[in-house]
Amino acid sequence: NAGVMQNPRHLVRRRGQEARLRCSPMKGHSHVYWYRQLPEEGLKFMVYLQKENIIDESGMPKERFSAEFPKEGPSILRIQQVVRGDSAAYFCASSPPGTGAYGYTFGSGTRLTVV
Amino acid sequence: AQTVTQSQPEMSVQEAETVTLSCTYDTSENNYYLFWYKQPPSRQMILVIRQEAYKQQNATENRFSVNFQKAAKSFSLKISDSQLGDTAMYFCAFMKHKVQGGSEKLVFGKGTKLTVNP
Repeated sequence: NAGVMQNPRHLVRRRGQEARLRCSPMKGHSHVYWYRQLPEEGLKFMVYLQKENIIDESGMPKERFSAEFPKEGPSILRIQQVVRGDSAAYFCASSPPGTGAYGYTFGSGTRLTVV
Repeated sequence: AQTVTQSQPEMSVQEAETVTLSCTYDTSENNYYLFWYKQPPSRQMILVIRQEAYKQQNATENRFSVNFQKAAKSFSLKISDSQLGDTAMYFCAFMKHKVQGGSEKLVFGKGTKLTVNP
C-alpha cells in the first residue's frame, strides 16, 4: 500500500500563475482532506471531500482556491493567481468512510513557494 | 469554535529521560477525540496517539502516554525513555464527534518543537 501520495513535493510559481496540487489517497480511502501549514504554525483545515462531493469547505478562502475529487483520478487543490501569502506547505490526508476519528493518513505535503 | 493551545513552543530532553508536552483545548462539545501528531524534519505527519473523550482511561502506545483531564480540558503527552528519533514538532489536535453528514476536520495547536539531546 503506497500511502497517500502528493505531488509535486515542491512547487515554485510566480505571482499571478496557477498552482495545481495533486493528492492520491490510499487504496480504499474515499475521503480526502486538505490542510495548509504556514511557517511556524500548525495545520489549518481547508476542505473535506468525498468522491465527486465537497462535504465541508469552511476553511477555504472564498476566492482563487478550489478543490475537487473526481470519480476517477486524484484530488486536486487549485490556486489561481497565486500571491506571496499563498506560500505554505499543503497537506492532504485520506481515510475510509466514517473512520476519520481514528486518525487520518497524511501525505508528505507539497511546499508551494510563490516568487 | 474549538481552539487548541500548546503553551510550550520549544522543549528539550536528554536521551533516555522523560518529557511531558502540554496541550489545552476549549470546546462546548461533550463527545470528541484528541490526537497527538509528530512531524519530523521530513514533514510527514505521523499519528502518535489518540484519545476518545468518553473514555476515562488514558491512552498509551509503547513509550507514549497521555494524561487526559476532561474537566480541565487538558491533554498532555508523556514520552518515556526519549530517543534521538523522537526529535520533531509535536502537534495536539481536536476533532468533534461526527454527526451524520458532518465533517471530520482536525483543529491543530501551533506545535511544540522537541529536541532530544544525546
